[in-house]
Amino acid sequence: DAKTTQPNSMESNEEEPVHLPCNHSTISGTDYIHWYRQLPSQGPEYVIHGLTSNVNNRMASLAIAEDRKSSTLILHRATLRDAAVYYCILRKVDSSYKLIFGSGTRLLVRP
Amino acid sequence: GAVVSQHPSRVICKSGTSVKIECRSLDFQATTMFWYRQFPKKSLMLMATSNEGSKATYEQGVEKDKFLINHASLTLSTLTVTSAHPEDSSFYICSASPGTTNEKLFFGSGTQLSVL
Repeated sequence: DAKTTQPNSMESNEEEPVHLPCNHSTISGTDYIHWYRQLPSQGPEYVIHGLTSNVNNRMASLAIAEDRKSSTLILHRATLRDAAVYYCILRKVDSSYKLIFGSGTRLLVRP
Repeated sequence: GAVVSQHPSRVICKSGTSVKIECRSLDFQATTMFWYRQFPKKSLMLMATSNEGSKATYEQGVEKDKFLINHASLTLSTLTVTSAHPEDSSFYICSASPGTTNEKLFFGSGTQLSVL
């Protein structure tokens, strides 16, 4: 499985934008880029996913590099409720559909 | 939106006993469910893929006789930790998807197992 590399932790101020980077230099053409987040003592929550084009939804935006070797999750205005561990995951389009989690980025949001 | 319900949320048991954890998809059918475990301050580790009507597929290093998975219907998968020991204490999380390929996964809220 192709691996992703994320910073261990990041900090942000409340109501400011946050850019969470992810490197995936060994990504293959059939890998989708998924982002999930996990709040303390809870199961993960889907954030966004994409293949080649940038994606936007109500939670966040996903910017994907042209060569697809990296991506950035953008939270436009961080709130205290966004403090979580954010996981960037490559998901293969094959019969297993499974998600393999890496170590993620712990986001701290300062009031 | 789609909901995955996991029960119980917390269980404490004595060493040597078996514990069953249930995972239900409440408003969709899930041919496939996934079981993860998570230790404190660590990431989720995939244990097995649960397939409705067939045997589960276990990840390398996961003991299938220790962690019994049953997926008897399209809305229910169970994980039984047999003869639990303190080292089995962990946070267990299930997930399911209503579709195929790149549908997003919905996760249960997790079960904290503590084996005394």
